[in-house]
Amino acid sequence: AQSVSQHNHHVILSEAASLELGCNYSYGGTVNLFWYVQYPGQHLQLLLKYFSGDPLVKGIKGFEAEFIKSKFSFNLRKPSVQWSDTAEYFCAVSPNTNAGKSTFGDGTTLTVKP
Amino acid sequence: DAEITQSPRHKITETGRQVTLACHQTWNHNNMFWYRQDLGHGLRLIHYSYGVQDTNKGEVSDGYSVSRSNTEDLPLTLESAASSQTSVYFCASSESGGTGEAFFGQGTRLTVV
Repeated sequence: AQSVSQHNHHVILSEAASLELGCNYSYGGTVNLFWYVQYPGQHLQLLLKYFSGDPLVKGIKGFEAEFIKSKFSFNLRKPSVQWSDTAEYFCAVSPNTNAGKSTFGDGTTLTVKP
Repeated sequence: DAEITQSPRHKITETGRQVTLACHQTWNHNNMFWYRQDLGHGLRLIHYSYGVQDTNKGEVSDGYSVSRSNTEDLPLTLESAASSQTSVYFCASSESGGTGEAFFGQGTRLTVV
C-alpha cells in the first residue's frame, strides 16, 4: 500500500517569504501526484497535479511542484507567499494502475502573517 | 457546472443513533469516495465505490457502510454513532480511468454527543 509523508505540520511565514512544503511518498510503481489546498472552512481544491512529462509542474496562484522520482518526492513551492495563501495543504498520491483511490498526507497548515 | 453536494452541512446526533450522510455528484464520475478529516490525521479513506453496485472498504471502515444504487449518489451510514465518529466528512469523486484527480464536496461536520 502507498503512504504519503508531509514533513511540516505547521509553517508560519511572513508575506513575501518563499515557501517550500515537503512531500515524500512510498510506492513501488508509477504514481500520479497531487497537491490540494483547503482554505479555512472550505473544501479541498486541486492546486496542481503531475501524471507524466515535465517533472516541474505549475499550478494555480503561482504555486509549482517538482517531482523527483529518485527521491520519491513532490515538494510544493511558491517564491513569494501572500496572506491569502493561509490554508491547509495536502499532498496526495494515486497509483497509476488504480487511479482514483488517492492516499493523502496528514496536511501542512500554512499561516502567512501580513 | 458539475458539482458534488453533501447534506447536511452540519449535524448533531446522539450516541447509538443511525445517521446517514448524503453525497450527490453531477460529474457523472464512476469513482466516489468518503473521507473523514481529523486534526493530526489528514484525510482517511472510509469507503469507496468504482461504480453502481460496487463498494469497498477503506482504511477506517469500521462502523460505517455505503451503498451505490446509481452513479450520482453514495450515501454514508453510521450504523450506531459513537463519539469517536465526531469528525468532518468529505465526499469526493473522480473520473474512471483518469489521473485520479478528485473533486470534493463542501463537507459535513458531524458531532456525536
